[in-house]
Amino acid sequence: DSGVTQTPKHLITATGQRVTLRCSPRSGDLSVYWYQQSLDQGLQFLIQYYNGEERAKGNILERFSAQQFPDLHSELNLSSLELGDSALYFCASSATPGTSLRETQYFGPGTRLLVL
Amino acid sequence: AQSVSQHNHHVILSEAASLELGCNYSYGGTVNLFWYVQYPGQHLQLLLKYFSGDPLVKGIKGFEAEFIKSKFSFNLRKPSVQWSDTAEYFCAVNARSNDYKLSFGAGTTVTVRA
Repeated sequence: DSGVTQTPKHLITATGQRVTLRCSPRSGDLSVYWYQQSLDQGLQFLIQYYNGEERAKGNILERFSAQQFPDLHSELNLSSLELGDSALYFCASSATPGTSLRETQYFGPGTRLLVL
Repeated sequence: AQSVSQHNHHVILSEAASLELGCNYSYGGTVNLFWYVQYPGQHLQLLLKYFSGDPLVKGIKGFEAEFIKSKFSFNLRKPSVQWSDTAEYFCAVNARSNDYKLSFGAGTTVTVRA
């Protein structure tokens, strides 16, 4: 158990819908990262928040957005869902802002999203 | 483009066989290197990491990896695998030249037959 929690574990929805995925980082960690894992794209970095502020952006679609709240939990919002958005979404956390090499990310169990 | 390459997509071996998974990266400058493992239905777990110092690093579950800077490689090894090592293995690189974003290889699925 990494200490990172994610809910829900599974999510089934229809195209065009909107969903929210939730992540709670390890105790004391200020950074939260979101990743998408799909069969064709592998593990892709989406976005990072540090202490409530967006720190870095990766291959995140405009239909997707995220935020980090004062209690440091984060939510990833996926809207206008398409079949291709079906994937495993991981959250990771680290203690540092991601501005140095000496940091380790710890991953949560993931949310498996199926868009029908 | 800068990337992380894992040479093998799927490796099948018998228990007690030795395992070596290749990982090459193309980022210049200083890098930190990681191997993560994902057991079936589970999340990614950190196996080992290299920040600096001895290029041969030892991780959990009997795994080790060797950083060869001249070859831009960070290969993972285990002398004798067990059935429980069946999992997907990901190499990841954190580089200043990539704005410290963690980049993952495509992963190698390892199947250990009892």
